[in-house]
Amino acid sequence: QVQLQESGPGLVKTSQTLSLTCTVSGGSISSVGYYWSWIRQHPGKGLEWIGSIYYNGRTYYNPSLKSRVTISLDTSNNQFSLKLTSVAAADTAVYYCARDDRRGTISFDYWGQGTLVTVSS
Amino acid sequence: QSALTQPASVSGSPGQSITISCTGTSSDVGGYNYVSWYQLHPGKAPKLMIYEVTNRPSGVSNRFSGSKSGNTASLSISGLQAEDEADYYCSSYTNSSPLDVIFGGGTKLTVL
Repeated sequence: QVQLQESGPGLVKTSQTLSLTCTVSGGSISSVGYYWSWIRQHPGKGLEWIGSIYYNGRTYYNPSLKSRVTISLDTSNNQFSLKLTSVAAADTAVYYCARDDRRGTISFDYWGQGTLVTVSS
Repeated sequence: QSALTQPASVSGSPGQSITISCTGTSSDVGGYNYVSWYQLHPGKAPKLMIYEVTNRPSGVSNRFSGSKSGNTASLSISGLQAEDEADYYCSSYTNSSPLDVIFGGGTKLTVL
């Protein structure tokens, strides 16, 4: 059973960088056919795709966040990470990591339970 | 790029059936059979309930079913149970790049 777990600070100061890590167990982030993704949910709002990374390191970002987002892989620790620079209050959200299955289908089949990140001065 | 359109809320009594709609366009829901549905309980990992419009992952109750007509997909839940109370989100592949998956705005299901 694949499991994902987000970790990182729950409070980030305005204008600083938000950094989160997703640890994957029960499966390898180097497996072909899976994208590893970050998705967020603003308080009381819907889901927003932030970006994804493929096992070969290729990345795809939401155009609205692209200038501030970096997603990277750490294959030695079976983790992937999110960095979001120059954060503002509007970046306060629950951040989820998820596996995006592209082996002939398209769905986020496993998710972490999410971590609330609050941006405040 | 607009999100898929879902009703903000639906409700039903235990044992009843409900349906949640998810409306898009021919560039997403109507053009491809890659519609998924997710169940979100507060503090828990979101759960994939339906993929490819109608398919249930292993372990998902057969009370949950999916369908599509034109640009609108639907999630139906029969025999409502208290534990079904949650937020439900649809998603679809879209032919817009690089954002090739979009989500609906979410629907709060209340079991009365």
